[in-house]
Amino acid sequence: GEDVEQSLFLSVREGDSSVINCTYTDSSSTYLYWYKQEPGAGLQLLTYIFSNMDMKQDQRLTVLLNKKDKHLSLRIADTQTGDSAIYFCAESSGNNRKLIWGLGTSLAVNP
Amino acid sequence: DTAVSQTPKYLVTQMGNDKSIKCEQNLGHDTMYWYKQDSKKFLKIMFSYNNKELIINETVPNRFSPKSPDKAHLNLHINSLELGDSAVYFCASSPILNTEAFFGQGTRLTVV
Repeated sequence: GEDVEQSLFLSVREGDSSVINCTYTDSSSTYLYWYKQEPGAGLQLLTYIFSNMDMKQDQRLTVLLNKKDKHLSLRIADTQTGDSAIYFCAESSGNNRKLIWGLGTSLAVNP
Repeated sequence: DTAVSQTPKYLVTQMGNDKSIKCEQNLGHDTMYWYKQDSKKFLKIMFSYNNKELIINETVPNRFSPKSPDKAHLNLHINSLELGDSAVYFCASSPILNTEAFFGQGTRLTVV
């Protein structure tokens, strides 16, 4: 069945760039999403990309999509301590557009 | 104005009890969901409702029963609570099925 994989942990220093990676299996996916979950809070949609795009930029966030390799990444420039959170990758796949979620990457930003 | 609100935020109850969690969205969305997030932060879809009709019902014990009185509300009732039901339950909504979802703040359920 469809699957979305992410590494579980990432640690960076404040001011560095963070790159969170995600791979998926369904070649018919149409939308790919990044969500952020801060401690004790719900998930917040950060950004999304259509499968016919290969890049999307929004201020400090850059999403790259390699459709051939089924690889999605989220780059956060100038990472701040407020970026510490869990980042979930999700893809909407198939005709019924069911959302498939990754397990989340916990980003720790060290001062 | 809170877009997706769920109550209560915290719920501590004994095994065997029955409890409900309420959810309301004021975004005019057609689709609402319930998710369960376990202690490892893994997120799992439980139910999807579209225009008050059940669309997706993942493998969830039948002790869990969702109810949607109207498009803006999706409540979750849980019978005979078990220790393993302890988790954070998130309600969410989206304009149409499985597009960008907006989440509530979560209900932390602790069964003792």
